Order: sequence, then structure tokens, then C-alpha cells
Amino acid sequence: DAGVIQSPRHEVTEMGQEVTLRCKPISGHDYLFWYRQTMMRGLELLIYFNNNVPIDDSGMPEDRFSAKMPNASFSTLKIQPSEPRDSAVYFCASSLRKGRTRDMNSPLHFGNGTRLTVT
Amino acid sequence: AQKITQTQPGMFVQEKEAVTLDCTYDTSDPSYGLFWYKQPSSGEMIFLIYQGSYDQQNATEGRYSLNFQKARKSANLVISASQLGDSAMYFCAMREALRRGGATNKLIFGTGTLLAVQP
Repeated sequence: DAGVIQSPRHEVTEMGQEVTLRCKPISGHDYLFWYRQTMMRGLELLIYFNNNVPIDDSGMPEDRFSAKMPNASFSTLKIQPSEPRDSAVYFCASSLRKGRTRDMNSPLHFGNGTRLTVT
Repeated sequence: AQKITQTQPGMFVQEKEAVTLDCTYDTSDPSYGLFWYKQPSSGEMIFLIYQGSYDQQNATEGRYSLNFQKARKSANLVISASQLGDSAMYFCAMREALRRGGATNKLIFGTGTLLAVQP
């Protein structure tokens, strides 16, 4: 089975440019997450979706960041305009909960990440 | 607020020996889930093992086991018979619980422990 697919694997861009990161979750999974990993702040949850609906975007750092999930098989994370402090590895992950709100044990399955460098 | 603490930034272990990676957590919720992930140098996040707060027995998955001490709020990962391929960053994570008794699907991560297995 295909895992979570992220593109591109690497992105180098100049400050001020728009950056779009893409994610295809595992088929059938009903939750999708965007995390950011840096040396200074570790793994931070930016936003997550349930059945394509954003549930919690409290981790989105500022208005320059936006995320969409137009359908169950695709999500984007956009940064506009990008800044050097946005340089990080961005992970997409998905999980299957089947609507069982008390189910605690479903793991997140991560993509390979996108390494973003903003110069 | 929930919190995960990994106090060991780095660990060394000799090949074929066992190693314990520490994880403590802080939550006021009686229902929660604890996860361990491995991140090798290639960067992907690999799910290893899960422990639920109501599980009567410590979780085991092959060479991985959890030393779960609920009263101490610790969930240490034990890797038996270390192999060179175990060299990686290891993250402890916790699933938050809602006050109403359900569960969000957010995982919050610790800062990680870098394990180096020496031949």
C-alpha cells in the first residue's frame, strides 16, 4: 500500500516568494495533519483536518500560512510570502479513526517530509 | 496542558545490548495514549509502539517494549538487542484527551533522544 506522499521533497526559494507544499494521505484515512520540524522548536502541529474540514489550526504561525483540503486525497500548505525563518521540514501525516471519538490508539502515518529552505 | 519530556538529548549503546529511552508526561486526563516514533537520518517518521492509559500490560512489539509506570507518569521505551540500524532519533508522543471524555486526534511530541548504536 502506498503511504503518505508529499511533494516536493526539497524546495529552495527566495524570501517573499509563494511556496506550496502538497500531500496525498493514505487512501481511506479520515484525518490529515501538517507538522513542522525545526531544531529549535522540534515537531509542531500546524493544523489538522477531519473529513476534509479543518479542526484545529491553532498551530498555524501567522496569516502567511494557509492550508486547504479540497478532497479526501489531497491537501496543500501554502506560505505567502515566505521568510527565512520558515525554513524547516514540513511533514504531512494521516490517520484512521472511523469516528470513534474514544479511540486513542490509532497512530499517525507520516510522509517523508518536504525540506524547505528560504534564502 | 499536556506535556511530554524527554530528558536525554543523546544516548550511546553497544550493539546487542539493551537500552532504555526515557519519557515522562504530564496530563490531568485519566484517558490518554502514548506513542513512540523513530526518525532515522533519512528523515522519515516511523511508528514503533503504542500504550494506552488503561492498558493493563506493558506494550511490546518485537524488540521494542514500553516500561509504563502510570503513577510516575513515565513511558520509557526499551530496545532489546540493539542493532546498528537502531541508530536514530526517537520521539515520545501523547494523544490529548478532551475534557468531555472523547479524544482529539492531536499528537504532541517530546524533543527526542538521539540514539547511537556502537559496533
